[in-house]
Amino acid sequence: DQQVKQNSPSLSVQEGRISILNCDYTNSMFDYFLWYKKYPAEGPTFLISISSIKDKNEDGRFTVFLNKSAKHLSLHIVPSQPGDSAVYFCAASASNGGSQGNLIFGKGTKLSVKP
Amino acid sequence: DSGVTQTPKHLITATGQRVTLRCSPRSGDLSVYWYQQSLDQGLQFLIQYYNGEERAKGNILERFSAQQFPDLHSELNLSSLELGDSALYFCASSPGRDNEKLFFGSGTQLSVL
Repeated sequence: DQQVKQNSPSLSVQEGRISILNCDYTNSMFDYFLWYKKYPAEGPTFLISISSIKDKNEDGRFTVFLNKSAKHLSLHIVPSQPGDSAVYFCAASASNGGSQGNLIFGKGTKLSVKP
Repeated sequence: DSGVTQTPKHLITATGQRVTLRCSPRSGDLSVYWYQQSLDQGLQFLIQYYNGEERAKGNILERFSAQQFPDLHSELNLSSLELGDSALYFCASSPGRDNEKLFFGSGTQLSVL
């Protein structure tokens, strides 16, 4: 039972264009969402997060949008750069503690930005 | 560099064996988390320790166990290893105990032959 789903295993984008990575979740108790980026041979690194009280959070070229009614979030990267090529993981958690209080990750989307 | 140190980076062993993975969290972080990443799976949460005590448990097999020591480093013990245990094991740390962004180590690649 996958509570966090990233349905696109890979995405290829031209440098300078927008990259849109999507994530769906099933658990309505999730109230905190994060995106992590992972390069080969390295651990995931935090990129951006959003709380369920907001529908948008922006940090430089990265913006995360949250649609609670659709249980959907997306990460927009504008403009995309070759250095953005990595695997992007969506993660979610609920604030009610227990095992739900820890991050549940999707399977990741591999982004390739072509020069 | 996240500040989280995992050793060893690679481990090759045989079925039925037992191994120990080690993690040193970032300075000052009290929580340590263990995650498993298999080939066709995302990051699966195994277990969390906070200041020496088990805080949360995920999909951790009974053959696996972990602990966090007084100096806050953690060890993940995997026993009676099976081929399917081959995976990348990540340790992460965070300052507090709930829902915070995690800082990941580079992982230990375990190969069970």
